[in-house]
Amino acid sequence: SQQGEEDPQALSIQEGENATMNCSYKTSINNLQWYRQNSGRGLVHLNLIRSNEREKHSGRLRVTLDTSKKSSSLLITASRAADTASYFCAYSGTYKYIFGTGTRLKVLA
Amino acid sequence: GAVVSQHPSRVICKSGTSVKIECRSLDFQATTMFWYRQFPKQSLMLMATSNEGSKATYEQGVEKDKFLINHASLTLSTLTVTSAHPEDSSFYICSAPPTGGVTDTQYFGPGTRLTVL
Repeated sequence: SQQGEEDPQALSIQEGENATMNCSYKTSINNLQWYRQNSGRGLVHLNLIRSNEREKHSGRLRVTLDTSKKSSSLLITASRAADTASYFCAYSGTYKYIFGTGTRLKVLA
Repeated sequence: GAVVSQHPSRVICKSGTSVKIECRSLDFQATTMFWYRQFPKQSLMLMATSNEGSKATYEQGVEKDKFLINHASLTLSTLTVTSAHPEDSSFYICSAPPTGGVTDTQYFGPGTRLTVL
């Protein structure tokens, strides 16, 4: 399977703490994206990082990409209860996106 | 950002019936759309790539005669689940990249929850 692996599968933290999620993929990529999904809902795009980029920041989010290790990480700083959701990476090869297995984040107030 | 809609948002049907799900790009044209399926507490699995004006490309293990895809126009793709069975119950999500390829952000529809009784 080409599906990417994410770890941890589940993460529970206190409000205000940082949350780090990791994504490992198996193929060469064009870009990698991170999405958030609240329970039973559609996906919200968080960030896109291209294969020639190493780090991107957006508000409380920081995304890194290491193509030599075929891995990416999503860091959420100063987490809030509203950040509770599932987070997925999705990476693109030549013509389609493959999703990672996802991390379920729970932020306790 | 670009908007993708899906209809219906939720459908319950009897086993053996067919269900059609629509995916529309509201403010851009999409030559390509993607259909995903998501089982509870699992990730999204790509089912097929819908191509305007040509046949869809199905992923390995996805029955093309069961999941009929029609990309009728540059703003509409439909997925028809034929002779649905309880194991087809799932969350179906479509997406479309405004640029038509995979070099930019994908925009996702809100999903359709299918329950087959």
